[in-house]
Amino acid sequence: VQLVQSGPEVKIPGASVKVSCKASGYIFSSDGISWVRQAPGEGLEWMGRITSKGDTNYVQKLQGRVTMTTDTSTNTAYMELRALRSDDTATYFCARDRHGRLTDWGQGTHVIVSS
Amino acid sequence: EIVLTQSPGTLSLSPGERATLSCRASQTIISNYLVWYQQKPGQAPRLLIYGASIRATGIPDRFSGSGSGADFTLTISTLEPADFAVYYCQQYGTSPWTFGQGTKVELK
Repeated sequence: VQLVQSGPEVKIPGASVKVSCKASGYIFSSDGISWVRQAPGEGLEWMGRITSKGDTNYVQKLQGRVTMTTDTSTNTAYMELRALRSDDTATYFCARDRHGRLTDWGQGTHVIVSS
Repeated sequence: EIVLTQSPGTLSLSPGERATLSCRASQTIISNYLVWYQQKPGQAPRLLIYGASIRATGIPDRFSGSGSGADFTLTISTLEPADFAVYYCQQYGTSPWTFGQGTKVELK
């Protein structure tokens, strides 16, 4: 199983970022994808998930700013975060979500938000 | 949402010693749906334990999880050099999934 994420991003406040996560080694449509972020020197924060059926579930604090999607033709998941702020600076991880347990993780994508 | 509180914040131990990490929830975790992860600097987390006590594939048996309801423990029976890392618990019984703040196991 491998989850390979897109490269680092530097954005100005107010911009949007879209991170990709390409999965291989398992049946992509059988499991969901969760997104987790980690600010520098901080702990893990679950952002939300997209289920195998395409249903989404976002944490309240990101509602309205985040969208998670999947493309089953390319086994790729995407996370878009809009209206970026400096406190969105973090490493963003995708993870295979097997009914809530995050069994396999991407390598992380560093996103820096700075003017 | 369910708040997970891990203790201690930092555990200073030597190789060969036993590590006991605690994770307490603000309410009962449904079906003991609790996992433990290990994270080393610059790396993604790695799943160690799920369902409170089931070792994930390939995890050595020196790692064990226990507990139920709202009180859970990760035990590393005999610390090896590779075990010095940060450990997080996470619950997946009630959405939103939530993580504890982490326990750092450092070399004494």
